[in-house]
Amino acid sequence: GAVVSQHPSRVICKSGTSVKIECRSLDFQATTMFWYRQFPKQSLMLMATSNEGSKATYEQGVEKDKFLINHASLTLSTLTVTSAHPEDSSFYICSARNPPGQGAWTEAFFGQGTRLTVV
Amino acid sequence: GENVEQHPSTLSVQEGDSAVIKCTYSDSASNYFPWYKQELGKRPQLIIDIRSNVGEKKDQRIAVTLNKTAKHFSLHITETQPEDSAVYFCAASIRGFQKLVFGTGTRLLVSP
Repeated sequence: GAVVSQHPSRVICKSGTSVKIECRSLDFQATTMFWYRQFPKQSLMLMATSNEGSKATYEQGVEKDKFLINHASLTLSTLTVTSAHPEDSSFYICSARNPPGQGAWTEAFFGQGTRLTVV
Repeated sequence: GENVEQHPSTLSVQEGDSAVIKCTYSDSASNYFPWYKQELGKRPQLIIDIRSNVGEKKDQRIAVTLNKTAKHFSLHITETQPEDSAVYFCAASIRGFQKLVFGTGTRLLVSP
């Protein structure tokens, strides 16, 4: 299947700093990518939909200025957690689905996830 | 918006038994229903999916059934093995768009 690579896999940062997480589709072009957040023993909560060349679409309750998303190319989306605080500590995971032109039937491929710890 | 409920939250079975996980969805326009298996600290892996034009799909020990009228779908695992132990998530695709909404997850424990 298709490959989605996420980097870094683990990051520890100080409170008040910003952290950038990258999500790459390695063998297909993804006009749309999705960013999820997962707390321990909980489900994947969709944060935002990243659209190549346009603004991201955020889910209700997700702060746009807190979680900056950039999708500048067909293979790369980035999530920046700005002014991180301990409550932002979580597992962040991206996914991408079918290449452009196909229907909404195909598998969603996930990155490895990034475990963010804010101290 | 779309809401997906999943039950049970935990499920313990003996090796060789069957396991059933059930999900219900709220948006009648949803048309794609995948199931994912997630091991601790790892990415979700697709194990089976079903489209709205099909009522049942089977792949070896795993099967999924869909009841569009009742808006629920189920995962069936037969002859469970210890390596089946993981968290399983159902999901639904909203109105044919690309984004998925996930259920709350089921922690399956298969004891030898």
